[in-house]
Amino acid sequence: EPEVTQTPSHQVTQMGQEVILRCVPISNHLYFYWYRQILGQKVEFLVSFYNNEISEKSEIFDDQFSVERPDGSNFTLKIRSTKLEDSAMYFCASLTGQGMEDYTFGSGTRLTVV
Amino acid sequence: AQKVTQAQTEISVVEKEDVTLDCVYETRDTTYYLFWYKQPPSGELVFLIRRNSFDEQNEISGRYSWNFQKSTSSFNFTITASQVVDSAVYFCALRPATGGYQKVTFGTGTKLQVIP
Repeated sequence: EPEVTQTPSHQVTQMGQEVILRCVPISNHLYFYWYRQILGQKVEFLVSFYNNEISEKSEIFDDQFSVERPDGSNFTLKIRSTKLEDSAMYFCASLTGQGMEDYTFGSGTRLTVV
Repeated sequence: AQKVTQAQTEISVVEKEDVTLDCVYETRDTTYYLFWYKQPPSGELVFLIRRNSFDEQNEISGRYSWNFQKSTSSFNFTITASQVVDSAVYFCALRPATGGYQKVTFGTGTKLQVIP
């Protein structure tokens, strides 16, 4: 069964460094999402992406964050200058956008900012 | 605005007991999807079920069952004869059914501990 793939599974970075989280959505999907889960808290929406542009973003998704789909297969989340509070699990998801479908997440990237 | 409330923060049960996880939601959308996810200690989100708002039939899958009641805006999840492997955090979630780029709103989760 097709699945959303995320790499790396765990990344440790120093505060102030840039980090790029990578996701490979399911191949025929058109809508892409990033979510964040701070340890012990609920999963929160960050951003949705469709037709090569952001469809919606949350208050969390400030100027330090950006997304792109550089090559038609990867979907990336970049954090320009990481802060300690960016430490979280980041989940990617994708949908076809056509009719009823399950909302399936990748296995997540655990980002630790030290 | 959408909201999902899981009032039970943590539940402990002894193995083989039945347990029900509560979920109450709020939405102005006329059509929507409800979900349950399991998050084991390894951290991934495991999809369990999707329910459409126009389908109020209850569903059973093995030891799992779901009770959807639109009149009370609830979508409760029951595990029958719980097992240690059921120990995890369970999230209820909600998404509008219209539009492909609609975000999912999660509840705060219920941590289930099954004691052997």
